[in-house]
Amino acid sequence: EPEVTQTPSHQVTQMGQEVILRCVPISNHLYFYWYRQILGQKVEFLVSFYNNEISEKSEIFDDQFSVERPDGSNFTLKIRSTKLEDSAMYFCASREGGSYEQYFGPGTRLTVT
Amino acid sequence: AQTVTQSQPEMSVQEAETVTLSCTYDTSENNYYLFWYKQPPSRQMILVIRQEAYKQQNATENRFSVNFQKAAKSFSLKISDSQLGDTAMYFCAFILGAQKLVFGQGTRLTINP
Repeated sequence: EPEVTQTPSHQVTQMGQEVILRCVPISNHLYFYWYRQILGQKVEFLVSFYNNEISEKSEIFDDQFSVERPDGSNFTLKIRSTKLEDSAMYFCASREGGSYEQYFGPGTRLTVT
Repeated sequence: AQTVTQSQPEMSVQEAETVTLSCTYDTSENNYYLFWYKQPPSRQMILVIRQEAYKQQNATENRFSVNFQKAAKSFSLKISDSQLGDTAMYFCAFILGAQKLVFGQGTRLTINP
């Protein structure tokens, strides 16, 4: 069964460093999402992406964040200068055009020290 | 703005018992989708069940069923014959059209042997 994959599973970085989280959505899906979950809290929407552009972004998704689909398979989230409060689990999700079900990847645990 | 509320932070039942997790939501729209996601200790988000608001019939997936009360804006999840593997965080989520998922705070469910 096709699935969303994410790499790395865990990334540790120092405050102020840039990180890139990578996702490979399901191949025939057209809509892509990033969500964040701070430990012990609910899952929060960051950004949605369709047709090579951002469809919607939350207040969390400030100028430090960017997304890109550099090729036909990868979908990346970049944080330019990480802060301690960026420590969280980051989930990528995708869905196909005719459905509202979003399929989640296993997540990347980002730890900022 | 759409909101999702899960009023039970934690629940605990014995194996083989039936348990019901509560969820309420707030929206002024008429067409939307509701989901229950399971998050085991691995923190992967797994779709358990979904309900289309335009359908009156409650969704069922094996041991999982929902009680969807549209007028009351209530969407509870019933797990029958609970198993140890059902131990997880459960998140209720709402989506309007092609937009982002909005999650509740989650209910931590423990199934005891």
